[in-house]
Order: sequence, then structure tokens, then C-alpha cells
Amino acid sequence: DAKTTQPNSMESNEEEPVHLPCNHSTISGTDYIHWYRQLPSQGPEYVIHGLTSNVNNRMASLAIAEDRKSSTLILHRATLRDAAVYYCILRGGTSYGKLTFGQGTILTVHP
Amino acid sequence: NAGVTQTPKFQVLKTGQSMTLQCAQDMNHEYMSWYRQDPGMGLRLIHYSVGAGITDQGEVPNGYNVSRSTTEDFPLRLLSAAPSQTSVYFCASSPFRGPNYGYTFGSGTRLTVV
Repeated sequence: DAKTTQPNSMESNEEEPVHLPCNHSTISGTDYIHWYRQLPSQGPEYVIHGLTSNVNNRMASLAIAEDRKSSTLILHRATLRDAAVYYCILRGGTSYGKLTFGQGTILTVHP
Repeated sequence: NAGVTQTPKFQVLKTGQSMTLQCAQDMNHEYMSWYRQDPGMGLRLIHYSVGAGITDQGEVPNGYNVSRSTTEDFPLRLLSAAPSQTSVYFCASSPFRGPNYGYTFGSGTRLTVV
């Protein structure tokens, strides 16, 4: 599986937008970009995924660079409940469904 | 509420004991999987299933067995518990195995083997 690189940690203030970056320079043409988050003492939670076009859902937006070598998860208005570890994961068709979790980005949200 | 249900939430076992971690989903998902999460190791895939009657090994299958007799249930059996199996276990499901589907995770079972 192609590798992703994320900052170890980021901080934000409540009600401000948060942009979480992810680099994936070795991404293949068939790899989907997935984002999950894990709140303390909970299981991972699916956030969003995309292939080439930007994606929006009720939780977040995903902006994918034109060359697909990087992407950004956007939380439009951070809340204290968004404090979590955010994982950027590439999923290709040959990974037998496996999610490969890296270290992720620890997001701290200040009131 | 629809989702993935794991039981028990906490369990303490003695070395050598066996037990079954239960996982059930009510979303009619074909794909189900088990992960373990250890500090500093991320989540690692133990076993997975692409449908009833079909299971296969993941990255760290030793010491664990699975079966999938129904679409809804995917139990994980620890045959003879060892301290190295102390971990948090997560069950996850997805409509299908393909990369265009997201996973729904359960809330986890925290297992301690003494």
C-alpha cells in the first residue's frame, strides 16, 4: 500500500476552520483517499473518502490536489467534539479490504 | 440504532483461557473484519470475511480463529489466551471489500490477559 504522511499534531480554536493535510506522493491511479478519526476510548469513525474530485458530506470536506499527491481534510467549524486523532489512509483494490492506519494527526481544539 | 455491536466491552482472562469476542452488524454488510490496537502500533488486521462462509487471515492471525455462519455475525475466538493478546479489539464492517466503501467500527472490547 502507498504511504501517507501527516503532521503529528495540530491545534485549532473552537468554531474556526481546520485544514488537516496529508501527503501521498506514491499514490496509484486506483487508490481512494479515506479519512477516519478516533476519539478517545472509541473506535475509529469514518469521515470521508474520494478518488479525484473534491467531496463534501455532513462531517467535512475533502480537497484533493490535481496531481493527487496530497489532500486536505477540512472541518469547517471545529467543535470540542472534533478533538481526535485523524487518519489519512489510501485504499486500493488489492488491499483485501485492509485499512492501514499510520500515526495520524492529533487534533486539539481549544475553547 | 444501526451499527456494529461488540460484546463484551471489557474482559479479563487468565493465561490459557479461551473466550469469544462477539461482533454483530445490522446493516447487511458483506465485509467484516477484526483489528487489534496496541499503543504505538496502530490498528492491525487479524482476520476478515467477504461474506457468509468465507474468511481469511490478515496481518496477525496467530492465536485467533473466526467463522462467519451468517451475514450479521463475525465472532473472534481466542484459543488459549496469552499476555501478548492484551489489547483493544475492534470489529468493522463495510458493504463490500472494495476501496470505494467506508467502514463502520464497533466501540471495541478491551481485553487484559493476566
